[in-house]
Amino acid sequence: DVKVTQSSRYLVKRTGEKVFLECVQDMDHENMFWYRQDPGLGLRLIYFSYDVKMKEKGDIPEGYSVSREKKERFSLILESASTNQTSMYLCATRFPLAGGWQETQYFGPGTRLLVL
Amino acid sequence: QKEVEQNSGPLSVPEGAIASLNCTYSDRGSQSFFWYRQYSGKSPELIMSIYSNGDKEDGRFTAQLNKASQYVSLLIRDSQPSDSATYLCAVNTGNQFYFGTGTSLTVIP
Repeated sequence: DVKVTQSSRYLVKRTGEKVFLECVQDMDHENMFWYRQDPGLGLRLIYFSYDVKMKEKGDIPEGYSVSREKKERFSLILESASTNQTSMYLCATRFPLAGGWQETQYFGPGTRLLVL
Repeated sequence: QKEVEQNSGPLSVPEGAIASLNCTYSDRGSQSFFWYRQYSGKSPELIMSIYSNGDKEDGRFTAQLNKASQYVSLLIRDSQPSDSATYLCAVNTGNQFYFGTGTSLTVIP
């Protein structure tokens, strides 16, 4: 069974704080992703990583950074949290489906972040 | 133009009826198509995948793909209250996945 865990289910932080969201997967997957999900806007890609120490910007990277020092762990960092970063944050890995050649995404449980 | 478009709903159907969810996508090079179900406060979970034109059935769920029309749909037969959720359409294009904003489905007992 694929397992993706996120460090917190709920988090409350103050404006200006540095926030770390951690994601850990136990399936040796190379590709990992961070999304945020907001009502009416759907899932938006913040950053993704296809290997250790490799990262690529997604659609909305501003105000965020990431770190991938080990294959199983992908961290999202809010350098200085702002109220417009209040959202549901979802980590995902990319994994092959049965049959081999197609891949899909498997999501962690999510972290609901409130910035006051 | 958004990569993936869905009618946000809400869609309400009575228990036992067929629920029909639709999705269109913009990139003709897209190869793989997925439906995720997301319960309130939870993360999306994969329920169907389809890659070839036509229908794919899995239990009460049928995914339909028409690449010429760039259209994907999900049919849920014998809808149950436990099917009440938001359904996300997703498309794999190259190295990226694109998600629709989701259709909210309510099954009324």
